[in-house]
Amino acid sequence: SYVLTQPPSVSVAPGQTARITCGGFNIGSKSVHWYQQRPGQAPVLVVYDDSDRPSGIPERFSGSNSGDTATLTISRVEPGDEADYYCQVWDGFSDHVRVFGTGTQVTVL
Amino acid sequence: QVHLVQSGTEVKKPGSSVKVSCKASGGTFSKNFVSWVRQAPGQRLEWMGRILPISGTAKYSQKFQDRVILTADDFASTVYMEVSSLRSEDTAVYYCARDDDIAIDTYMDVWGKGTTVIVSS
Repeated sequence: SYVLTQPPSVSVAPGQTARITCGGFNIGSKSVHWYQQRPGQAPVLVVYDDSDRPSGIPERFSGSNSGDTATLTISRVEPGDEADYYCQVWDGFSDHVRVFGTGTQVTVL
Repeated sequence: QVHLVQSGTEVKKPGSSVKVSCKASGGTFSKNFVSWVRQAPGQRLEWMGRILPISGTAKYSQKFQDRVILTADDFASTVYMEVSSLRSEDTAVYYCARDDDIAIDTYMDVWGKGTTVIVSS
């Protein structure tokens, strides 16, 4: 089955930049989507198709995808960005399922 | 803007079944698929499958295809997810979410608030 690996946690000071990686074999050939999940709440889509933003999501959220790594970048981090972040792709080769990453907890210092 | 309204918390005995509903409010599902995603306590999100309400066509993750049934009442703008033979490992929050597109590699852009299912003897 296809595996997506994320760092368990990322800590960042307010105003700085947080980078969250999502590693998977040849992930650059797939469309990657990112979700933010605050404690006790449902996920919210923040980036889709590698680098596009839904309406209402600040420009501070951006994404990239190449090779074996996709990255979600949060610029000028704010306290409200503190949450878990999950990457997601479609595994069309083995299990034919949508796969989520292991999740990264972003802590704003 | 459509919102997805899910049914309330369920407490079930092992071996029983549970049926969770998800209703579109402020709009309809139109021609969008609706996916179900679950999250066990402290765990990652897990995609279970999806259904196209207008036709009833469903696709399941292999892990769940033997115990999960997705159905829909398109006129009522409501989809249902039923899980049978419940075990303690099924204790989780279950989310419905709207797929943006019919493509299977699409994203989920509108989510319900989740339904907590607790399986305990």
